[in-house]
Order: sequence, then structure tokens, then C-alpha cells
Amino acid sequence: EVQLVESGGGLVQPGGSLRLSCAASGFTVKSTFISWVRQAPGKGLEWVSVIYRGGSTYYADSVNGRFTISRDNSENTVFLQMNSLRVEDTAVYYCARDEDVYNSKGFDPWGQGTLVTVSS
Amino acid sequence: DIQMTQSPSSLSASVGDRVTITCRASQDIVTYLNWYQHKPGKAPKLLIYAASSLKSGVPSRFSGSGSRTDFTLTINSLQPEDFATYYCQQTYSVPWTFGQGTKVDIK
Repeated sequence: EVQLVESGGGLVQPGGSLRLSCAASGFTVKSTFISWVRQAPGKGLEWVSVIYRGGSTYYADSVNGRFTISRDNSENTVFLQMNSLRVEDTAVYYCARDEDVYNSKGFDPWGQGTLVTVSS
Repeated sequence: DIQMTQSPSSLSASVGDRVTITCRASQDIVTYLNWYQHKPGKAPKLLIYAASSLKSGVPSRFSGSGSRTDFTLTINSLQPEDFATYYCQQTYSVPWTFGQGTKVDIK
């Protein structure tokens, strides 16, 4: 079964750091494209970052310079290192797979999400 | 960045109704347009990819159309399990962007 499972969320103070993990099963992360998407309380979906199968990475303007996406092929896991966290980063964070961004396959599957709360 | 604008932001409908949601891109995105269904506490679910391709396993009452800047999601004969929020998303160029969402609730 193709599946993604996020972990690592929690409560952190403004200015702090957190690392989220996205563990994949049923496929290999190095052969595909993995994104992080978040939903702040009462808000819509916001794309955050992507790591391409070739290793290229891209970020939303709102997190560029503070967040870093990476992957460990041996663990078949993608990470999101979040530094200098702000109250407005509070959200449920999802990871999702796109099989082929060059042919618009869409994000599928998605993980169940992990909650990040930034508060003093 | 490409802006995605959905309309309406919300709508009330009855079981059996036909529902249409529109999504407009701020520039030509060809058919790099996906539609998702999202229910509270659940992971978003892919319905339509490449503007009009129905994901395997998604009921045929869902359909998508459009190209370049104007796109439509149609739900024929709305079912109780279809009450949710729907998002369009462009993957033509990064940063990939979502529409603001359309909440479909019970009339």
C-alpha cells in the first residue's frame, strides 16, 4: 500500500525550531516528488515546499530562508526543518506525493497531517 | 506567483443537486490544474488531475473541464458524503498555489 506518515509536530515557542518527518511506504521517495502543504486554523491549504526526484528544492515565499526540505533515501523519509518559527506558522502540516510534476498527476496520496503550534 | 481564484467561496446545496465550482488562474497554466476534496480532520483527497482526468476510484459524478485560465469542477447528483471543502491547485510553476477553497454545505 502506498502511504505517507508524518511525525514531529508539537508545541514550540516563537523563534524556535522543529523537524517534521514524512515516512513513505509502498514506493521510494527518491523516484518521485514530495511536497509539504499546511493548513492554518480556519484557513485554506497552502503549499510550502517540494523536493524533486533529482534533488532540487523549492519553497513558498513565506518560508523561504527559514525552512529546509531534505530526504534520506536509506530511511525512505522526507524531512522539513523549520527554523525561526513564527506564530503564523501554526498549522497542520501534510506531506504529499506527486508522481510526475511534468505531467500534472496531482498530489496523491497525502499523509494524515501533524500539528505544529507556535506559541509562547 | 500564479494566483488561483475560486468561486463561490461557499454554497448550500441539496442531495441530488448539480454543483459547479469555478477556478481562474492569473495566467495561462495549460491544464496543470488539480482538484481536491477536504473534510475536517482528514487528509485532502485528489479528485481530478490535469484539469479533466478522473482519479481512479473517484465516483464518475465528479468531472473537471477547462484549460489555460478557466476551469470548472462539476458534481452531478450531490451525495451526502460530498459535503466538504473543494480546492483547485496549479502545478504549472512553483510556487504551486491553491485556490482559497469552496465550502459545500447542506441547504
